[in-house]
Amino acid sequence: EAQVTQNPRYLITVTGKKLTVTCSQNMNHEYMSWYRQDPGLGLRQIYYSMNVEVTDKGDVPEGYKVSRKEKRNFPLILESPSPNQTSLYFCASYGQGIRGYEQYFGPGTRLTVT
Amino acid sequence: GQNIDQPTEMTATEGAIVQINCTYQTSGFNGLFWYQQHAGEAPTFLSYNVLDGLEEKGRFSSFLSRSKGYSYLLLKELQMKDSASYLCAVRALLANNNAGNMLTFGGGTRLMVKP
Repeated sequence: EAQVTQNPRYLITVTGKKLTVTCSQNMNHEYMSWYRQDPGLGLRQIYYSMNVEVTDKGDVPEGYKVSRKEKRNFPLILESPSPNQTSLYFCASYGQGIRGYEQYFGPGTRLTVT
Repeated sequence: GQNIDQPTEMTATEGAIVQINCTYQTSGFNGLFWYQQHAGEAPTFLSYNVLDGLEEKGRFSSFLSRSKGYSYLLLKELQMKDSASYLCAVRALLANNNAGNMLTFGGGTRLMVKP
């Protein structure tokens, strides 16, 4: 089954404690992205990757890091989380489907930073 | 930069037809997506348009006019389960004309289907 997985699904942490949210896809997609979703602000792209070792900033990259060492994985790293990073995070992967490009989202990670 | 507008909320009746509009301004347009998102869940892919015209997929159709910077999502025979947010997103080419993955989402349209 084609899917994007994220872990953890829920996380409560404290300011300054480094954390990583993992993302993995099994569709051999070249493109992967991270988004955050906040009430009233919609989905905003944090970082994206076009292939292994190729990443670029989205609209809201400050405070985040990513890496793409393997095609299937695209972890999101918060080196020093702050309360304004409390949000719902989605990972997505994207590739050529039958009707053109299709993007699949992971189930989401709800992060609370206190 | 990109600017994407869609109505914040719409209400429709079960069994009816509803059209959700999306207008956009972007440089290097390279495709428009529609997604459905139920509260607390991940968005699910509905359609992708890159050429002008109508794409039909069951009860859902999506239309694109690149010259007008306009798209709509048409939902027919509305069902209660169609109550959700509908997100319009535009993909843009990078400055070097490579097909990048810079996707910008509109704020979403919350559709409420009433009996």
